[in-house]
Amino acid sequence: DAKTTQPPSMDCAEGRAANLPCNHSTISGNEYVYWYRQIHSQGPQYIIHGLKNNETNEMASLIITEDRKSSTLILPHATLRDTAVYYCIVLSSNDYKLSFGAGTTVTVRA
Amino acid sequence: DAGVIQSPRHEVTEMGQEVTLRCKPISGHNSLFWYRQTMMRGLELLIYFNNNVPIDDSGMPEDRFSAKMPNASFSTLKIQPSEPRDSAVYFCASSEGGPAARAFFGQGTRLTVV
Repeated sequence: DAKTTQPPSMDCAEGRAANLPCNHSTISGNEYVYWYRQIHSQGPQYIIHGLKNNETNEMASLIITEDRKSSTLILPHATLRDTAVYYCIVLSSNDYKLSFGAGTTVTVRA
Repeated sequence: DAGVIQSPRHEVTEMGQEVTLRCKPISGHNSLFWYRQTMMRGLELLIYFNNNVPIDDSGMPEDRFSAKMPNASFSTLKIQPSEPRDSAVYFCASSEGGPAARAFFGQGTRLTVV
């Protein structure tokens, strides 16, 4: 039973912001939203995670709606190297199993 | 830090042979994971170690698969005997702190069983 829903694919222009949506309508109060990405032929890479508040780091920003039922990962200035599969994962504070769904294949075009 | 190191990067073996995949986690990390990725099934957790002890091996496909973590800096995943359906990319990951801590993945081992 999938905890998250993501669009299968999206395109983005190089230099523009990429906004990746994720629905997690059944999220519980102690569950975090994690984002990972997998660039072709590499291992998954952690991007960011959050509980309630919006978060920002050197890679991206995470916007979580007030009801926590959805979130958006923002890559502020997409580059060709950001082309990857992006996974939105819901994980409780005492869980360890990252359940990777199909993710969103993001293609950044020049 | 060099990150999680896996070896070999590529392995081609004949059906029935024993295969051993190796992983060196990031120093100081106390959790280690083995994942398998195939086109059909995506990324699946095989086994999870915490402080060198196997906590959850429910994802290990069958008795042909075994994993060990003799110390904090080394883990192996062994398949004996190997079968063509074991062909996949195997990833090792490690993390520090609690179960939900961010995981760092290695570059993976691409296994082909012919």
